[in-house]
Amino acid sequence: GAGVSQSPSNKVTEKGKDVELRCDPISGHTALYWYRQSLGQGLEFLIYFQGNSAPDKSGLPSDRFSAERTGGSVSTLTIQRTQQEDSAVYLCASSLAGFRDEQYFGPGTRLTVT
Amino acid sequence: AQSVTQLGSHVSVSEGALVLLRCNYSSSVPPYLFWYVQYPNQGLQLLLKYTSAATLVKGINGFEAEFKKSETSFHLTKPSAHMSDAAEYFCAVNMNQGGKLIFGQGTELSVKP
Repeated sequence: GAGVSQSPSNKVTEKGKDVELRCDPISGHTALYWYRQSLGQGLEFLIYFQGNSAPDKSGLPSDRFSAERTGGSVSTLTIQRTQQEDSAVYLCASSLAGFRDEQYFGPGTRLTVT
Repeated sequence: AQSVTQLGSHVSVSEGALVLLRCNYSSSVPPYLFWYVQYPNQGLQLLLKYTSAATLVKGINGFEAEFKKSETSFHLTKPSAHMSDAAEYFCAVNMNQGGKLIFGQGTELSVKP
């Protein structure tokens, strides 16, 4: 079956520009997560959506980062006024329900800010 | 604060040798523990998970891990390494805080012929 998909796979942008990263979770999965993977910081949690509940935004590094999930399915992570330190691989994951369930990861979007 | 520590950022073994990747966690509540593998330029793939049912957990590709509460450890093992096991391995813990995973720093496994 289809897994988690992310687009684009690679994104190069100039410092100061806004970017949008997209995630399509596995159909039927109610929970969706965004993580960031960088050489210096490893894998970091960013944000978590569970059904219709308010998202857990506790991992977002600054107010330049935001995310939304429309219709309980597709999610978009937006980074405004990108900085070089935003360069990383952004990973999306989904799970069936809650914390007991394994998270299935997408291939990631590699963001490079020049 | 909850945390996960993976001892050794890089481990090298010979093909056919035992693989042992170490993971220790700190948690004030019973955790759910996971091992993920990441091949180059790919996302993370679940190897196995511990959710308090059995302390010895078997996963895919011949890997297994044992939960030891007294040692707060969840080490990953495989009896005989294969060249295809070369990848980066991440230990992660879910502290029942809404689903977010806290990852260790990762261990890169190299397998020598």
